[in-house]
Amino acid sequence: DTEVTQTPKHLVMGMTNKKSLKCEQHMGHRAMYWYKQKAKKPPELMFVYSYEKLSINESVPSRFSPECPNSSLLNLHLHALQPEDSALYLCASSRLGLAGYNEQFFGPGTRLTVL
Amino acid sequence: KNEVEQSPQNLTAQEGEFITINCSYSVGISALHWLQQHPGGGIVSLFMLSSGKKKHGRLIATINIQEKHSSLHITASHPRDSAVYICAVGPYGGSQGNLIFGKGTKLSVKP
Repeated sequence: DTEVTQTPKHLVMGMTNKKSLKCEQHMGHRAMYWYKQKAKKPPELMFVYSYEKLSINESVPSRFSPECPNSSLLNLHLHALQPEDSALYLCASSRLGLAGYNEQFFGPGTRLTVL
Repeated sequence: KNEVEQSPQNLTAQEGEFITINCSYSVGISALHWLQQHPGGGIVSLFMLSSGKKKHGRLIATINIQEKHSSLHITASHPRDSAVYICAVGPYGGSQGNLIFGKGTKLSVKP
């Protein structure tokens, strides 16, 4: 199984809502990533988990809260978002190892709209 | 100046044409990745390479480490190849998973 799944595919939420994005992989990868992608821009790294521990937080606002409950699952909890947070949120996974030297497998993304 | 530059930004081709997308980078790297993103979002990893040349079906990727340059070639292009192609590099000594992305090349292949 070389698939990364993400749910939901689309999410519309108000600025006072709390919601969660979910990501799952069963490739035995011990590195998992959250990216944010605005239209016509490349992905921007938000968080990296290595062995289920947060290893990189790219100065992301606290209204985004990641969680890695086990080696197959990655969540992104959302609270009090702003309209400018509307974007495609991509999850990816890879083997651990030399930085940038492992192929990342991406999920289909969650398209988030904040009203 | 961006650390990863792609050219062209946009490319329109007729079905069957040979296509080349270029990527230049300015940092030392562990590996270079070519990614494909279709409208609707999902990203697919096409190649990861640190030297030489790789081929998969109609796609060929080459890299010249000394010149800090890579090319992605598509032979006998087809409308289903229409997508954004993204070059990304893993900088040498960077942290886990840290990739520097190019801005992408939007390819449209007309029937």
